[in-house]
Amino acid sequence: AQTVTQSQPEMSVQEAETVTLSCTYDTSESNYYLFWYKQPPSRQMILVIRQEAYKQQNATENRFSVNFQKAAKSFSLKISDSQLGDTAMYFCAFMRETSGSRLTFGEGTQLTVNP
Amino acid sequence: ETGVTQTPRHLVMGMTNKKSLKCEQHLGHNAMYWYKQSAKKPLELMFVYNFKEQTENNSVPSRFSPECPNSSHLFLHLHTLQPEDSALYLCASSQGGGSQETQYFGPGTRLLVL
Repeated sequence: AQTVTQSQPEMSVQEAETVTLSCTYDTSESNYYLFWYKQPPSRQMILVIRQEAYKQQNATENRFSVNFQKAAKSFSLKISDSQLGDTAMYFCAFMRETSGSRLTFGEGTQLTVNP
Repeated sequence: ETGVTQTPRHLVMGMTNKKSLKCEQHLGHNAMYWYKQSAKKPLELMFVYNFKEQTENNSVPSRFSPECPNSSHLFLHLHTLQPEDSALYLCASSQGGGSQETQYFGPGTRLLVL
């Protein structure tokens, strides 16, 4: 079974600074997909970024980028120029290529951006 | 807004009540999902529907009964719930038909069982 671990229950960062959220996973699969979702206080879960394991290039979406280390089974999220609106719970999630879209989530990291 | 809506947003019910949660997606997707989000726990997948057919039931108690009348609508019928069923229930949808698809979530229904 796949597991996803987010070892930082809470983090905080000053506005405009950079923060990195950690995620590790355990799988014997060679092809899979990794996601970061954001859940603000309004509760709507929003996709932040997605990475295909067969791609060596790290995914980037504006201020959000990942550091995908396949051998280490690590998938960290870097948020640059943090904004107050980035305050949210961040979930790392794993999907096997053959799982029929089944997502396995980590426990989440609560990020607070301070003014 | 992600194109997935859920009603009601909040629900309080007694253990003997019967209620239903509704999810609607406006994305043209064919797969829909129910998740349970409890405090301090990862999201738990409950049910998966693909082209209106249930393809996964993740050992969910029978007091939760899903219904998918068409690809745009998903219901979760609740009866004889327990206080430990209090949680945020999230609906999601994806393109459908296979894996590697990104899921888009609704805002959730916050359920409190008294």
